[in-house]
Formats: sequence, C-alpha cells, structure tokens
Amino acid sequence: DGGITQSPKYLFRKEGQNVTLSCEQNLNHDAMYWYRQDPGQGLRLIYYSQIVNDFQKGDIAEGYSVSREKKESFPLTVTSAQKNPTAFYLCASSIPTGFYNEQFFGPGTRLTVL
Amino acid sequence: AQTVTQSQPEMSVQEAETVTLSCTYDTSENNYYLFWYKQPPSRQMILVIRQEAYKQQNATENRFSVNFQKAAKSFSLKISDSQLGDTAMYFCAFMTSGSARQLTFGSGTQLTVLP
Repeated sequence: DGGITQSPKYLFRKEGQNVTLSCEQNLNHDAMYWYRQDPGQGLRLIYYSQIVNDFQKGDIAEGYSVSREKKESFPLTVTSAQKNPTAFYLCASSIPTGFYNEQFFGPGTRLTVL
Repeated sequence: AQTVTQSQPEMSVQEAETVTLSCTYDTSENNYYLFWYKQPPSRQMILVIRQEAYKQQNATENRFSVNFQKAAKSFSLKISDSQLGDTAMYFCAFMTSGSARQLTFGSGTQLTVLP
C-alpha cells in the first residue's frame, strides 16, 4: 500500500536532548513537509523540501533541522534550542506541480518533553 | 502573507441535518487553491474537498459542498445529511499557485454530530 509512515507514534524526551522524528513515503512524491500542531491551533509549517538535497524554512523553523538525502525520507530533528517542543508533528508529501496540489499526511508523532 | 480565519471554534449538529462551517482568508493573489481538511479523533488529516480560485463553479463531493465567494474571500463548507462519522476537527487551508505550494491553515472548527 502506498502512503506515508511516521515513527514513533509517541515520543518522550528530556529537556536538553535532541530527538529525531522519522517520515517515510512510498508515493514517489517529490515534495515533503513538516508541520507542527498545538491545541486550539491549526497546522504551522516548519520546513519543506521540493527535491532531494534541498529544503527551505517554513514559518516556525527555529529550533528544528531537517535533511533530505533520499526522495523517500525527510527526518525532522527537534533540537534543544526549541523552547517549547511538546506538540503533535505531522509530515506530508505532494507532487509539487500536480494539478490538484493535494498534500497527503502521515499519522503524526506526539512529542512530549518531560 | 496569507491568513486564514475560522471564527467558529466549536459547532454541533443533529444527525441527518445540515451544517455550514465558515472560513475567510486574506490574500493579494489572484490564483490560488482552497481546501477543507478533516481531522477525526485518530488525528489523521483527510482531504474533504478542494476549490481552484479560477473556477466559478462551487466544488461538490457527495454530501460535502462549498460556497466560494472570491470577492468576499469566503470559503464555507456545507455538510448535508450529517453522520456520526463526520465528528471531527475541520480545517480550512489556503495554497498559493506559486512554486512553493505551501499550505496555510486556519485554527479549525470542532464539529460534533449528535445522535
């Protein structure tokens, strides 16, 4: 089945530690995105990548880093510089020039800082 | 920068009735795309319906339809014959037609369908 997988589903981190969230897709999509969701708010864009080895900051990139070494994978690292990392993180992918421009979402990772 | 506003944090509707969720947006662009996404308790984001700004005809997908008013920058979602499975958070989203194709989301409307 084609789709997007995120792991782990739940992640706990101690303050001061870096943590990496995994996002993999087998949809052959060129573009991938990371969003953060906080209670009572919509999704906010952290980083996005339209092609391998290239990525751009979104609206709230501070304290986060990404890499795009393979088309299928777009891991997100939450660094200790992120002041309030507890949130729900969603990964998405799309065909960047597709007519319908639909973004397909993974199931998400809930990160809790202890 | 684009902004998307959903002024109804919570709504409820009786099963089988019709409900309309509101969304307004602000942009200086002429070509863009609008979406409604649904997020049920599982938190999986699911596309409900999309609208291209250059199309005057309102999009329809089965029980879901939109009222797109470009001049008023309004994009409401109508759900007919509401079902219990429609209970979810609904997000309105805006996408530019440029190369970046970023989505800007509203804050969401929690819809509860009552039996």
